[in-house]
Amino acid sequence: DSGVTQTPKHLITATGQRVTLRCSPRSGDLSVYWYQQSLDQGLQFLIQYYNGEERAKGNILERFSAQQFPDLHSELNLSSLELGDSALYFCASSPQVGAGEQYFGPGTRLTVT
Amino acid sequence: AQSVTQLGSHVSVSEGALVLLRCNYSSSVPPYLFWYVQYPNQGLQLLLKYTTGATLVKGINGFEAEFKKSETSFHLTKPSAHMSDAAEYFCAVSNGGGAQKLVFGQGTRLTINP
Repeated sequence: DSGVTQTPKHLITATGQRVTLRCSPRSGDLSVYWYQQSLDQGLQFLIQYYNGEERAKGNILERFSAQQFPDLHSELNLSSLELGDSALYFCASSPQVGAGEQYFGPGTRLTVT
Repeated sequence: AQSVTQLGSHVSVSEGALVLLRCNYSSSVPPYLFWYVQYPNQGLQLLLKYTTGATLVKGINGFEAEFKKSETSFHLTKPSAHMSDAAEYFCAVSNGGGAQKLVFGQGTRLTINP
């Protein structure tokens, strides 16, 4: 158990809909990262938040957005969903001081039908 | 920009045999390197990491990796494979310590034959 929690574990929704994925980082970790894992793209970095502020952006679509709240949990919002958005979405957290290792949650499997 | 190449999307070895998973990286700054393992329907678990100092690093479950700057490689090895090692393995690179994004390779699926 990494100490990172994600909900829900599975999500099935239809094209055009909007969903919210939730992540709680390890106790004391200020940074939260979101990654997307798909068969064709592999593991892709989406976005990073540090203590409530956006820190870095990767291959995140404009239809996707995220935020980190004062209690440090984070939410990833996916809207106008397309079939190609079906993937595993991972959240990870890391301490600010250290080697930069990240601790991953169990993921949310999103299926868009 | 950083990148990681894992040679071989699938590797199959016999139980008790040597495991060798290859990783080459590209980085314009001294890299921090990681190996993660993903078991079916689970998240990624950190196996080991290289930051600075000793180039041979030991991780969990008997795995180790050697950082070779001249070859820009960070191959993962285990002397004797166990059935429980069957999983997907990912090599990753970051810009350095602190809070930095990880850039992952495409992964290598390891199969262990009885």
